[in-house]
Formats: sequence, structure tokens, C-alpha cells
Amino acid sequence: DTEVTQTPKHLVMGMTNKKSLKCEQHMGHRAMYWYKQKAKKPPELMFVYSYEKLSINESVPSRFSPECPNSSLLNLHLHALQPEDSALYLCASSPPTRQEDLHFGNGTRLTVT
Amino acid sequence: EDQVTQSPEALRLQEGESSSLNCSYTVSGLRGLFWYRQDPGKGPEFLFTLYSAGEEKEKERLKATLTKKESFLHITAPKPEDSATYLCAVRLGGAAGNKLTFGGGTRVLVKP
Repeated sequence: DTEVTQTPKHLVMGMTNKKSLKCEQHMGHRAMYWYKQKAKKPPELMFVYSYEKLSINESVPSRFSPECPNSSLLNLHLHALQPEDSALYLCASSPPTRQEDLHFGNGTRLTVT
Repeated sequence: EDQVTQSPEALRLQEGESSSLNCSYTVSGLRGLFWYRQDPGKGPEFLFTLYSAGEEKEKERLKATLTKKESFLHITAPKPEDSATYLCAVRLGGAAGNKLTFGGGTRVLVKP
């Protein structure tokens, strides 16, 4: 079992819905990440939080809104998504100075209808 | 432009048939090259980190090596449970220090 827990595992939402993805880790990591992965493609970085502050936003559309309420939790708020946003959304964490120690969750499979 | 390219895209092996996967990169300021294994419907699982040319790491049937331009992941006498997608990623220094750039992956299928 992974030490990074993501919920829900699967999510189907309409283009007018608002939903949130959640990620939790208790390894004491102070860097947390959101990645998007389309089928048969590598993960693409979306956001990085370091010490609960947003440090990298890879020009992600505003319909994706990240939030880091504390050092263990990371949320991704979704609003007015498009069908092309359907993908596997992966959360990861690492110590902030050891990105090689990147631990991924098993992701949320999102389908936008 | 920084690029990471993996080859082949897919590899079908018979059980016990050793082979190598390639990850070539054209980046400046490399601060580490990483190998991950990803099973369908799961997140990537960390395998190895390599930092300098000539470095080698081993884990069970897997061995990773690094040169100045590429890395190889050798699979020795693979078993069906080695079937997965293998991803390599590079970490750059400077302002991009928190960012990993992934290659496209190699899908490995080991048949009994």
C-alpha cells in the first residue's frame, strides 16, 4: 500500500459540477505535488507546494485550484472542467530538499462528461 | 529545449529473456536521473536515482546505469511480474529544482 492516500479513487463529474480531490500523507514530507496523467503518457506536473506555499504552477487553467490546508493535506478543487480534462490525477510528496524521494499515491481516475 | 526520450515505446519479452531500456536526455544542469515503475491504475513507484556518469544501482533483476547522455535499465532474466511501464525522469538544477521531467515510458510485457 502506498503511503500517500488519494480520495476518491474514481470520480465522474459533469462540466457544470464542482468537486474536490484529496490527498493525505503522514511521512512528514513538506513538499507536495499534483500531476496529471493521460493514458499511455507520462505524468505532467501541475502544481508544487513547499512548506504549504505554492512554489510552482505550470500554467494550469484556473478551473483547477489547488489548496494546501496543512503539511499533511493537499486538495485540488475542480470547477467547470472540460471532457479533455479526463485523466488520472496523481498526488506525490517528498522531503523538500530530496525530490528523488518522491512518493506517489495511486491517483484519482477522473472522467468529465 | 530540455528533452527526455525513452526507447523502445513497448517491449515484449519471453520469461528469462534479458533486455535493456534506454533513456536519453538533452538537458543542462542535470541534478539527478530517476527510474520509476508504474503498474496499470497505480501511481509510479520509485526504483533508482543516479547522479553522475558511471554510477550504477541494482535491485533484484534490475540494474540502472548512467552516462553523460543516457541511462539504461537492464532487466536480467525477467519474470512476468516485471511487466509494467518503466518511466525515467530528470531533475534540473536552479529555479527548476523542484521539477521532474518525465520521458514517455517503456511498456514492458514479459510472457511466461
